[in-house]
Amino acid sequence: GENVEQHPSTLSVQEGDSAVIKCTYSDSASNYFPWYKQELGKRPQLIIDIRSNVGEKKDQRIAVTLNKTAKHFSLHITETQPEDSAVYFCAAPFSGGYNKLIFGAGTRLAVHP
Amino acid sequence: NAGVTQTPKFQVLKTGQSMTLQCAQDMNHEYMSWYRQDPGMGLRLIHYSVGAGITDQGEVPNGYNVSRSTTEDFPLRLLSAAPSQTSVYFCASSFEVNYGYTFGSGTRLTVV
Repeated sequence: GENVEQHPSTLSVQEGDSAVIKCTYSDSASNYFPWYKQELGKRPQLIIDIRSNVGEKKDQRIAVTLNKTAKHFSLHITETQPEDSAVYFCAAPFSGGYNKLIFGAGTRLAVHP
Repeated sequence: NAGVTQTPKFQVLKTGQSMTLQCAQDMNHEYMSWYRQDPGMGLRLIHYSVGAGITDQGEVPNGYNVSRSTTEDFPLRLLSAAPSQTSVYFCASSFEVNYGYTFGSGTRLTVV
């Protein structure tokens, strides 16, 4: 079925530590994996994405890794800062009809000073 | 360039009432989607469209209708509101499914 599992549901770290969020997907045809950040009361915003032809992508303190064989991808945030506190969502496209984007349940990240 | 515009921002409905949530984008995006967000449930896909005249059901379509007569607009209709439809609704658009979505600011709907 169409499923994106995301873990953990909550994550608490000290400022400066690293944070890792993992997602698994069920459709082996999926080839695009975005991550969104949602601050309290605001809309989700794209922070990074990766396509299936690469295994890793970095953008300053954030990176995403992809393991297509195992059907999982992860978000890595290094040197966390209080402003990184938010809910993070992964997503993957699923076929069947037209391609549609399905989201994970989200991870609430708290970065403590 | 306004991006994705949703109206209204807030709405209270009585059980059984109907209403339409509006969504418009000015980026000439083909893909548009409606999601609902409930606490702890993430973003669940209601309906989506891959272009004018083409729509399909998502994960939770029951109780909602959509149509896409133009590239710009993708309204979501609640046929007979129920308390279970109390949620925050987000409209999103993209060039295609394999590109980043731009989200609207959301509509907070309460059904009493």
